[in-house]
Amino acid sequence: NAGVTQTPKFQVLKTGQSMTLQCAQDMNHEYMSWYRQDPGMGLRLIHYSVGAGITDQGEVPNGYNVSRSTTEDFPLRLLSAAPSQTSVYFCASRMGLAEYNEQFFGPGTRLTVL
Amino acid sequence: GENVEQHPSTLSVQEGDSAVIKCTYSDSASNYFPWYKQELGKGPQLIIDIRSNVGEKKDQRIAVTLNKTAKHFSLHITETQPEDSAVYFCAASTLYTGANSKLTFGKGITLSVRP
Repeated sequence: NAGVTQTPKFQVLKTGQSMTLQCAQDMNHEYMSWYRQDPGMGLRLIHYSVGAGITDQGEVPNGYNVSRSTTEDFPLRLLSAAPSQTSVYFCASRMGLAEYNEQFFGPGTRLTVL
Repeated sequence: GENVEQHPSTLSVQEGDSAVIKCTYSDSASNYFPWYKQELGKGPQLIIDIRSNVGEKKDQRIAVTLNKTAKHFSLHITETQPEDSAVYFCAASTLYTGANSKLTFGKGITLSVRP
């Protein structure tokens, strides 16, 4: 199993540009989520999904869209990038909805918005 | 909502010594407390977790203790090795009625093990 994969690994955008961060998992996990990691802020939940066709907002959803058309994929879209979205983004997945199921993280995407 | 505080923010220990990282949480309904290790350039990885019905859990050189009354939990690493150098995150989870639980993370602590 490849686990949780993310592309790209690095990305530089100009303010106002849009892009999609890709996330895929091959473990047949129901639950997938996106976090951003900023210095001194820990990990903050952006959006999550409990299954194909179902998404919901996390702690910091503004400026981001998600969709879940398949169990495997959970892309994160930045509609109009802003410097405040400069961060490292992690996708995660876990089997089942219960919190005590181990959550697996991808390697991250480092995004810089100029 | 839940608030998880982690302290200290950095910790440096000599190889072979023990390291203790403490976290406090605010919501008494939280019932699941995982610890994650993040190595440079990688995503966080679960290293140990504890549920609220257990006071202590051990796995080789690492252990986690939970004090529900005081609302704090700690990660203990014994016989530290250079490969233990990483960022460690604690987290707490609260079940929301009719929905799914969400993990709230602390801000992370950088552990450095000096050879």
